[in-house]
Amino acid sequence: EVNLMESGGGLVKPGGSLRVSCAASGFTFSAAWMTWVRQAPGKGLEWVGRIKDKNEGWSTEYAAAVQGRFIISRDDSQNTLYLQMDSLTAADTAVYYCATWKSGSADNWGRGTLVTVSS
Amino acid sequence: QSALTQPRSVSGSLGQSVTISCTGVSSDGGSYKYVSWYQQHPGRAPKLIIYDVNQWPSGVPDRFSGSQSGSTAYLTISGLQAEDEADYYCFSYVSTWVFGGGTKVAVV
Repeated sequence: EVNLMESGGGLVKPGGSLRVSCAASGFTFSAAWMTWVRQAPGKGLEWVGRIKDKNEGWSTEYAAAVQGRFIISRDDSQNTLYLQMDSLTAADTAVYYCATWKSGSADNWGRGTLVTVSS
Repeated sequence: QSALTQPRSVSGSLGQSVTISCTGVSSDGGSYKYVSWYQQHPGRAPKLIIYDVNQWPSGVPDRFSGSQSGSTAYLTISGLQAEDEADYYCFSYVSTWVFGGGTKVAVV
């Protein structure tokens, strides 16, 4: 059974940085493409970015709203996905979900971790 | 404002069918088949219910069906049940990957 568990969320000041993690199990993580999606309180879903597997050079792509501030990485030896977030603003306050990527869709989802940007 | 437009809400009675539209999807090229739909209940993570326009992930009942006509994708829920009351989002590639704004389905 696929299991994804996000962690590392919390309160951070505007302009600050935070790294959230996603621990994966129940599937071959190293072969999986992964994605991050966020949801601001009371709002809809917003795609954040995606990382491919080693065969695809671990290439990444990002939404315009986070390009240059967020970095997605992975540690295949630890079955863990990361989202490094810098220069955070209130607009980045959201629940951050990790998910597996399958054929242009976010297949299996974690429960999410809440990131709050506030002074 | 999302590049994919969905109605804010739709409603239907138990046993009826409802259809949600998602306007702005690609209608040609390699990305045209990449339309997926998600169900989200309050306080829960989203769940994939349709991918590749009209394919079902394992375990999703065939009461949910997807289709596309031109630049509009559709999600139809047949035989509406109380537990279908939720938010539904489309997702596709339109210059970048993007979700629709979401549609709240009410079972009346």
